[in-house]
Amino acid sequence: DSGVTQTPKHLITATGQRVTLRCSPRSGDLSVYWYQQSLDQGLQFLIQYYNGEERAKGNILERFSAQQFPDLHSELNLSSLELGDSALYFCASSLGTGAEKLFFGSGTQLSVL
Amino acid sequence: AQSVTQLDSQVPVFEEAPVELRCNYSSSVSVYLFWYVQYPNQGLQLLLKYLSGSTLVKGINGFEAEFNKSQTSFHLRKPSVHISDTAEYFCAVTPNRDDKIIFGKGTRLHILP
Repeated sequence: DSGVTQTPKHLITATGQRVTLRCSPRSGDLSVYWYQQSLDQGLQFLIQYYNGEERAKGNILERFSAQQFPDLHSELNLSSLELGDSALYFCASSLGTGAEKLFFGSGTQLSVL
Repeated sequence: AQSVTQLDSQVPVFEEAPVELRCNYSSSVSVYLFWYVQYPNQGLQLLLKYLSGSTLVKGINGFEAEFNKSQTSFHLRKPSVHISDTAEYFCAVTPNRDDKIIFGKGTRLHILP
């Protein structure tokens, strides 16, 4: 068990809808990272938060947004969903700003029908 | 910009045989390199990392990797694999300890009985 909790484990929704994925980092970790894993693109970095502030941005679509709350949990919001957004979304956490060792959650499997 | 190429998408190998999973990176600056493993239905976990020092890095579960700067490679090896090593293995790179990690597309290791 990595100590990173992601909910829900599975999410099935329709095109055009909006969903929220939740992540609780390991106790004491200040950074949260979001990754999208799909068969064709592999593991794509979306965004990183450190202690409530956005720190780095990757290939995140404008339809997607994230935030990190004062209790350090994070939410990834996906809106106007398309079939191509179906993927496994991972959250990871680390102690500081660096990525020397990431602890990954088990992921949220999103299916857009 | 950094990138990682994992040369094999799948590697079949007999149980108790040696295995090498190949990884090449491109970067114009010094790099930090990682191998992560993803067991079925789980998140990723760190196998080993190269930050500096000895080019031969030992990790968990009997794996090791060698950093070769002239060939820009960081291949992962294990002298004798077990059925429990069945997983997907990801090579990753970051230009410094405070930056995001870029993952390769992964290599699926199939252990044959």
